Amino acid sequence: GQNIDQPTEMTATEGAIVQINCTYQTSGFNGLFWYQQHAGEAPTFLSYNVLDGLEEKGRFSSFLSRSKGYSYLLLKELQMKDSASYLCAVRDNNQGGKPIFGQGTELSVKP
Amino acid sequence: DVKVTQSSRYLVKRTGEKVFLECVQDMDHENMFWYRQDPGLGLRLIYFSYDVKMKEKGDIPEGYSVSREKKERFSLILESASTNQTSMYLCASSANFNEQYFGPGTRLTVT
Repeated sequence: GQNIDQPTEMTATEGAIVQINCTYQTSGFNGLFWYQQHAGEAPTFLSYNVLDGLEEKGRFSSFLSRSKGYSYLLLKELQMKDSASYLCAVRDNNQGGKPIFGQGTELSVKP
Repeated sequence: DVKVTQSSRYLVKRTGEKVFLECVQDMDHENMFWYRQDPGLGLRLIYFSYDVKMKEKGDIPEGYSVSREKKERFSLILESASTNQTSMYLCASSANFNEQYFGPGTRLTVT
């Protein structure tokens, strides 16, 4: 089976940096995704990691360590519009290769 | 521009009714998914399809069925709606189980 854990809620200040962690346990890991979901809207794709290391995309970066079963999403220069839920999802080849989602982390950015 | 559409944003049905939720994608993707999203439970996979007329059960298929007669269309059917099926339903599509594109969601209320 698989188990994906993220903090339920986080709060950060505008202009700051925040790191959202995701740990997972899978038997056939084949990639990790991060999605952003604003309240009342559909999730939108942020990043995809399949190899260890850091992937940077503008203000957002995603890190993966396969040996530790660990990823984080780093958001820099926080803006109010970054207030959203951030979903971690893992592909498991032993579960048909489909993405399995964590519960999501609700991030609140305050002035 | 990528597009996934769902037939309704809001739907109210009575207990015992048969409910059809439609999803259409214009990206020629092989894979399509139906999720439900509930507070504290995250995105849970109901069914997915990797080709026309092919379907696989997800994590919570009970009480649901699906139909995929054409590549672009994936329908979710609630044979006899119950109050515990009140939820947000999200459709998604992807190529090769990579980045998923989500529709806007249907908020279903069963009374």
